[in-house]
Amino acid sequence: QSVLTQPPSVSGAPGQRVTISCTGSSSNIGAGYDVHWYQQLPGTAPKLLIYGNSNRPSGVPDRFSGSKSGTSASLAITGLQAEDEADYYCQSYDSSLSALFGGGTKLTVL
Amino acid sequence: EVQLVESGGGLVQPGGSLRLSCAASGFTFSSYWMSWVRQAPGKGLEWVANIKQDGSEKYYVDSVKGRFTISRDNAKNSLYLQMNSLRAEDTAVYYCARDFWAVSTRPDAFDIWGQGTMVTVSS
Repeated sequence: QSVLTQPPSVSGAPGQRVTISCTGSSSNIGAGYDVHWYQQLPGTAPKLLIYGNSNRPSGVPDRFSGSKSGTSASLAITGLQAEDEADYYCQSYDSSLSALFGGGTKLTVL
Repeated sequence: EVQLVESGGGLVQPGGSLRLSCAASGFTFSSYWMSWVRQAPGKGLEWVANIKQDGSEKYYVDSVKGRFTISRDNAKNSLYLQMNSLRAEDTAVYYCARDFWAVSTRPDAFDIWGQGTMVTVSS
């Protein structure tokens, strides 16, 4: 069981907006550690999607956005496209400098 | 091109050992925290260990403490993971990953990933 909790699955129709939550605790996200998000397409390595809670690396479309509040964070995807169908993971740290991943959320584009 | 290439995976019996390597190219390897992250078949990502730029700090997930050792050779632009006393539950694809920020005092996001190397622990 992951320390960071994500919904196992979310779905949406093309063009719609979906959000994925990531719930932690006062020992990790709530302690001020940044949250990062990754996209993993089937059979490939993860790709950094959002860093530092809300920043997009170069090349990531602005359809992807992140936010953080208290002990939780969220990833929002607007204008859903078929190519967005993938697994999404949140990641943060705790005070022992151990990285923590959420359990992952499978996004299905209907 | 910035790249990480893992090697050393394979089939090993329970209790056995394996050493994974990760060759870095296209960036100043010695400036970055580096990590190993694994993914069991059909499961999510699990961080395994990380190491500071000069190797002076190393951190491990509890399940591998005392069995795995992370190390690096900055002269060879290489990261390693020595895995001893392997168990069936260590079966996974192992990725090496680079930290996002250069010359950082603490680890952060992982912006560059290798393609992964499969480790199977089975008799």
